[in-house]
Amino acid sequence: TQTVSQSDAHVTVFEGDSVELRCNYSYGGSIYLSWYIQHHGRGLQFLLKYYSGNPVVQGVNGFEAEFSKSDSSFHLRKASVHWSDSAVYFCAAGYTGANTGKLTFGHGTILRVHP
Amino acid sequence: GPKVLQIPSHQIIDMGQMVTLNCDPVSNHLYFYWYKQILGQQMEFLVNFYNGKVMEKSKLFKDQFSVERPDGSYFTLKIQPTALEDSAVYFCASSLSGEGAEQFFGPGTRLTVL
Repeated sequence: TQTVSQSDAHVTVFEGDSVELRCNYSYGGSIYLSWYIQHHGRGLQFLLKYYSGNPVVQGVNGFEAEFSKSDSSFHLRKASVHWSDSAVYFCAAGYTGANTGKLTFGHGTILRVHP
Repeated sequence: GPKVLQIPSHQIIDMGQMVTLNCDPVSNHLYFYWYKQILGQQMEFLVNFYNGKVMEKSKLFKDQFSVERPDGSYFTLKIQPTALEDSAVYFCASSLSGEGAEQFFGPGTRLTVL
């Protein structure tokens, strides 16, 4: 059984601040990890993923994430947030080798960016 | 960018009735998914579908649930009969390939079972 945990339910910052949203996973096999963003009333949108290779992956709108096998983490970061980054962020994990595409999601982190 | 549409956006039905949730996936995608999110809880995988068949389903995908995509039209989730615990937001997603692929999500259908 794989689990994904996002320890912060809410994060509040000011525009221009840096932010880190945390994601930890537990799984005994080989996985890939993704981040999705959900604006109010809309479907999830893909931000970035780690599958293999360079553990630091770049995504859209200045987001990046770093995979750490030793820490079982895949934290999302942005150097300078904008008010439009306010949304719910979901970390997700999938199995490699099964080719089903099934994703296991964390509970989500609500990011509020004050102008 | 590519969009996944879901119809209806809201559905209210009485317990025991049948309901069909419709999903219009991205046109060239081959893999289709349903996820369920109960208010205040995390989104959970229900089922995925490829080449006309269910590939994997979770324990949440009860016998009362079924999925199909007849002739490349809507990808549907049918619940018959519905139960109170089926109240949730159901998200459809599609992807070009399976493992590792970016999934495109619809805005969800909020199902309320009374």
